[in-house]
Amino acid sequence: KAGVTQTPRYLIKTRGQQVTLSCSPISGHRSVSWYQQTPGQGLQFLFEYFSETQRNKGNFPGRFSGRQFSNSRSEMNVSTLELGDSALYLCASSFTSTGNTEAFFGQGTRLTVV
Amino acid sequence: KNEVEQSPQNLTAQEGEFITINCSYSVGISALHWLQQHPGGGIVSLFMLSSGKKKHGRLIATINIQEKHSSLHITASHPRDSAVYICAVHQGAQKLVFGQGTRLTINP
Repeated sequence: KAGVTQTPRYLIKTRGQQVTLSCSPISGHRSVSWYQQTPGQGLQFLFEYFSETQRNKGNFPGRFSGRQFSNSRSEMNVSTLELGDSALYLCASSFTSTGNTEAFFGQGTRLTVV
Repeated sequence: KNEVEQSPQNLTAQEGEFITINCSYSVGISALHWLQQHPGGGIVSLFMLSSGKKKHGRLIATINIQEKHSSLHITASHPRDSAVYICAVHQGAQKLVFGQGTRLTINP
């Protein structure tokens, strides 16, 4: 069974640009969550999607958005990039959206904003 | 104060030593995860606990719901165990709140 796949693995963007990251969950999983990891703030929850609906959102500005498709693949978008958006972005997939279901993480996308 | 606190933040030990990493949390949770992150970034879920104790190979995880505390133990530690270990709690649905991580280095 294939794991969680994130693309691209590495990305360099310029301030002011926008970026789209992709996450393909494990087959059969319908919940996808996104996290940002920075040296200063550690891992922080961005948002969660389940069956194409955003179920939960973290404390991030509106420049961070996401969506989920009918095949459960998810994308997150960051508009008007800032230097502080440089981070490792991780997604995790789960079978359900309940709080006691194991989460499986992807390898992450490392975004550098210059 | 963070909702999830780990200790120690850094730990260096010799191969073969018994390792304990602690996690305390201040919020109601439905489950607690122990995660492992190697250089390069990918995260592997080691355990998900809602009560009691789980064991997998040389790894043991325990949780005390009343005391809001969990521990991760590694027996007979090995250099390949060197990684960052992260405690994370489920706060409803799939929202995870993370500790700051414990950087473990096992020297041969």
